[in-house]
Amino acid sequence: KQEVTQIPAALSVPEGENLVLNCSFTDSAIYNLQWFRQDPGKGLTSLLLIQSSQREQTSGRLNASLDKSSGRSTLYIAASQPGDSATYLCAVKNTGNQFYFGTGTSLTVIP
Amino acid sequence: EAQVTQNPRYLITVTGKKLTVTCSQNMNHEYMSWYRQDPGLGLRQIYYSMNVEVTDKGDVPEGYKVSRKEKRNFPLILESPSPNQTSLYFCASSSAREQYFGPGTRLTVT
Repeated sequence: KQEVTQIPAALSVPEGENLVLNCSFTDSAIYNLQWFRQDPGKGLTSLLLIQSSQREQTSGRLNASLDKSSGRSTLYIAASQPGDSATYLCAVKNTGNQFYFGTGTSLTVIP
Repeated sequence: EAQVTQNPRYLITVTGKKLTVTCSQNMNHEYMSWYRQDPGLGLRQIYYSMNVEVTDKGDVPEGYKVSRKEKRNFPLILESPSPNQTSLYFCASSSAREQYFGPGTRLTVT
């Protein structure tokens, strides 16, 4: 069974810093990996999706990388802002069409 | 506007009283799924559906039922709710590119 781990569980940084969130998964037979943002009491918003054949995706200040063979993905956030404060979740879709989520990293950006 | 809607948003019920949480999407997606989110456990997939009349168990299907009679709707049914089903529930629909999530339903079973 696929297991997805996110480290750290919580992170606090001053505004303007660059930061990296980590996601690891145990089964490399994935279809894609997706990063989400969840604000308190709200649903999930998709940030970036990386297909299994891709190495990275970029959107604005966000860059996500995927190393399928080692079972790792990173989400890089450049020049962090207080509005980036949220919980970040990664999810893998396996080749059997099931999704598995990590427990998330709670990010606080201090003004 | 592309969206996934869930109803109700909040529900308090008693053990054993059957309930249904509705989910509807307007994006013509074939794939839909239900998740529950619990502290320390993250989101876990309950059931998913690849298309009309096709449903499959996810990671935690016990105590739940689903149906997919129309492409846009994917209701979650709890025939006999128990307190361990108290949770935050999310419905999602997916294209090949990404998943879209509903706003969530907070269910409390007493």
